Amino acid sequence: EIVLTQSPGTLSLSPGERATLSCRASQTVVGSYLAWLQHKPGQAPSLLIYGASNRAAGIPDRFSGSGSGTDFTLTISRLEPEDSAVYYCQQYGYSPSWTFGQGTKVEIK
Amino acid sequence: HVQLQESGPGLVKPSQTLSLTCTVSGGSIDSGGFYWSWNRQSPGKGLEWIGYVYYTGNTYYNPSLNSRVNMSLDTPNNKFSLHLSSVTAADTAVYYCASDQTSWGQGILVTVSS
Repeated sequence: EIVLTQSPGTLSLSPGERATLSCRASQTVVGSYLAWLQHKPGQAPSLLIYGASNRAAGIPDRFSGSGSGTDFTLTISRLEPEDSAVYYCQQYGYSPSWTFGQGTKVEIK
Repeated sequence: HVQLQESGPGLVKPSQTLSLTCTVSGGSIDSGGFYWSWNRQSPGKGLEWIGYVYYTGNTYYNPSLNSRVNMSLDTPNNKFSLHLSSVTAADTAVYYCASDQTSWGQGILVTVSS
């Protein structure tokens, strides 16, 4: 099974600042099948990025994903108050097991 | 995008089987290429993938839960289901169904308690 390790655990930034979230895999993620999801309390998770770098429909361009192999990054270029959430990476390229990272909590000051 | 809605009992007794259904609207569960998954979030913890059933009916489960999990498609009713046997308090969680990584249900809280 591929283990995903996210860092940092918590990120506390001000509106307008740039957030950089890391996701490191214990082995190569096949085909860059790596997604980033945003999860707010009491809501369903929401897909931001799929295939490591492709924005999902309706996602603002201030969200971007990059990386390949074992190292992936989610960047939020200009934080807005509504970006306060937990962000998860998920690999879905290694059959049969998919896995989530443990999450990074983004707090807006 | 399809819409998904979880349903089932909110309280299950220890050692019993947890059974949930996900109703899909806006698309057919047997149309090509979709993975229909179940995921959960225990109190204070992160998301955990439970497993998926492919549109063909093939299933793959989290190895840590494999011996207790069963998923299936109900094609005539456009639903898919999760059965988790021999539950304990550690299975208390919000359970989410999803279509690939794209569409998610709102989640259903299931508490395991006598």
